[in-house]
Amino acid sequence: DAKTTQPTSMDCAEGRAANLPCNHSTISGNEYVYWYRQIHSQGPQYIIHGLKNNETNEMASLIITEDRKSSTLILPHATLRDTAVYYCIVRVGQNTGNQFYFGTGTSLTVIP
Amino acid sequence: GAVVSQHPSWVICKSGTSVKIECRSLDFQATTMFWYRQFPKQSLMLMATSNEGSKATYEQGVEKDKFLINHASLTLSTLTVTSAHPEDSSFYICSARDLGASGANVLTFGAGSRLTVL
Repeated sequence: DAKTTQPTSMDCAEGRAANLPCNHSTISGNEYVYWYRQIHSQGPQYIIHGLKNNETNEMASLIITEDRKSSTLILPHATLRDTAVYYCIVRVGQNTGNQFYFGTGTSLTVIP
Repeated sequence: GAVVSQHPSWVICKSGTSVKIECRSLDFQATTMFWYRQFPKQSLMLMATSNEGSKATYEQGVEKDKFLINHASLTLSTLTVTSAHPEDSSFYICSARDLGASGANVLTFGAGSRLTVL
C-alpha cells in the first residue's frame, strides 16, 4: 500500500472549516483514500473514503486532486468534539482481505 | 450501522499471567478481523489478521506464540496475551468489515481494550 504523509499537528478555530492535507504521491490506480479519526483513548472512527471523485457525507468532504497524488479532508464547521488525530490511509479497496496500515496522522486541535 | 464490541475495555493483570480479549461483530458477520496495538502517543500498529476457520496471519515482528488469535466463528475473534509482561501493557484494538453493507470495504473498529501488566 502507498505511503501517506500528513502534517503532525494543526489548529483550527471553532466554527471554521478545518482542512487536513494528505500526500500520497505513490498511490496506485486501484487504491482508495480513506480517512479515519481517533479521539483520545477510543477506537478509530470512519469518516469518508474515495477513489478519484470528490466525496461528501454528513461528517466531511474529501477532495482528491486530479492526479490523485494528494487529498484534503474538510470538516466544514469544526467543533470542539472534532479534536482528534486524523489518519489518511490508502489501500486497495476492492480486496476485502487487504489490511489498513496507519501512519502517524495529524493531531487536530479545535480552539474555542 | 456496523458495531464491533470489545471486552474487557480495560484489564489489569500480574506479570506472567495470560489475558484474553474478545472482539465481537454485533450485527454482522466477519470472516476477517484485524488486531492492532497502540502505545501512548503512537499510531496504531497492525499485529495480525484473524481469519475465521483458519490460522491468523501475523505481521513481521509479532510473536505468534505470544499473541494467540482464535477466530472460531463469524462473529468472534479472541486475542490472548500469554505470559504477559509489563512491556505488553498497551491499548489493543480490533476491527472488522461488514461485507453486507454498502460500504463493504470500510473497517469498523472496537472501542479498544487497555491492558496494564503489573
